[in-house]
Amino acid sequence: DGGITQSPKYLFRKEGQNVTLSCEQNLNHDAMYWYRQDPGQGLRLIYYSQIVNDFQKGDIAEGYSVSREKKESFPLTVTSAQKNPTAFYLCASSVGGTFHYNEQFFGPGTRLTVL
Amino acid sequence: GQQVMQIPQYQHVQEGEDFTTYCNSSTTLSNIQWYKQRPGGHPVFLIQLVKSGEVKKQKRLTFQFGEAKKNSSLHITATQTTDVGTYFCAGSFYNQGGKLIFGQGTELSVKP
Repeated sequence: DGGITQSPKYLFRKEGQNVTLSCEQNLNHDAMYWYRQDPGQGLRLIYYSQIVNDFQKGDIAEGYSVSREKKESFPLTVTSAQKNPTAFYLCASSVGGTFHYNEQFFGPGTRLTVL
Repeated sequence: GQQVMQIPQYQHVQEGEDFTTYCNSSTTLSNIQWYKQRPGGHPVFLIQLVKSGEVKKQKRLTFQFGEAKKNSSLHITATQTTDVGTYFCAGSFYNQGGKLIFGQGTELSVKP
């Protein structure tokens, strides 16, 4: 089955530690995205990548970093510089081209709790 | 930055009643998408609207894009318990490099 996988589903970390969230897709999509979702709020864009080895900051990139070394993978690192990292993190992908006209396919999400 | 405002935040209805959620922007949108997120789940794409005044239907769901492309609505006729979840609109602006800006979402609960 084609789709997007995120692991783990739940993640607990101590304050001050960096943590990397995994996102893999086998849909052959060029574009990938990371969003953060907080209770009662919409999705906020952290980073996005339209092509391998290239990525751009979204609206709330501070305290986060990404890499796009392979088409299938777009890991997100939540660094200790992120002041409020506890949230639900969603990875998504879409076909390339004029990407805002393409539907986004979301993974199941990772719920990160920083203690 | 540019925002997409969505109301109401919550809506509780009796099964069989209608439901509507609205999205508004102060700036013209290039397109708008709608997603549904079931409790504990992830957003799933429902539809995209691109043209001014566009209306699309999916069974009991009707989606509209305003004439000025600054607002949109999702209307569900005769809600069912399977409609429960949070509905998000997501719009793109012409000068934002194609990023989708999500509304805050409307959480729908349906009482049987």
